[in-house]
Amino acid sequence: AQKITQTQPGMFVQEKEAVTLDCTYDTSDPSYGLFWYKQPSSGEMIFLIYQGSYDQQNATEGRYSLNFQKARKSANLVISASQLGDSAMYFCAMREGFGNQFYFGTGTSLTVIP
Amino acid sequence: DSGVTQTPKHLITATGQRVTLRCSPRSGDLSVYWYQQSLDQGLQFLIHYYNGEERAKGNILERFSAQQFPDLHSELNLSSLELGDSALYFCASSVSPSSGRAAYNEQFFGPGTRLTVL
Repeated sequence: AQKITQTQPGMFVQEKEAVTLDCTYDTSDPSYGLFWYKQPSSGEMIFLIYQGSYDQQNATEGRYSLNFQKARKSANLVISASQLGDSAMYFCAMREGFGNQFYFGTGTSLTVIP
Repeated sequence: DSGVTQTPKHLITATGQRVTLRCSPRSGDLSVYWYQQSLDQGLQFLIHYYNGEERAKGNILERFSAQQFPDLHSELNLSSLELGDSALYFCASSVSPSSGRAAYNEQFFGPGTRLTVL
């Protein structure tokens, strides 16, 4: 089974609107971390936000928030007030416990429309 | 700037050749990861080194090898290159798995090396 699943290959959002990018994960480890990265067309990978499995509250970083639903094993990224510069690929990732490996999803391409 | 450096930024070579990609992790990070990202593809995990030792292997071809040196920099060697090896190769570093709540420590990515095999 896939460790990380991103089911939306591409998404469009109007500028200034909010958008949710979906991510589901699969693990039996009670301790894990969930991460979102942004990859603009220039290619670099930019860390956005993380959620720990024991965190009681959803993580927020500026316009980014993570809708963490543990029972459903989902960790959706919410971008509020979208900007043109948000157009990029977005990757969801997971690290289990003290595991050595990060698992990445296939990514979602977000396009912000003026 | 993530603090992870990769050289070279771009590399153009011919099929059958061998190249070496270099990565220096963030200061203090003992773990180095290598990823391959082909055109319009996600990230494929290749290999992970921790403090000089190989810790995990992903979808790494036998033609590829890596090592981490005592100063913690890492090199990824790609040999007998094929057209399909053209990709963006990322190095990432992270705090060591054994230090505290490692699951909660993100990876920091270098800018990548774009390899073009002609």
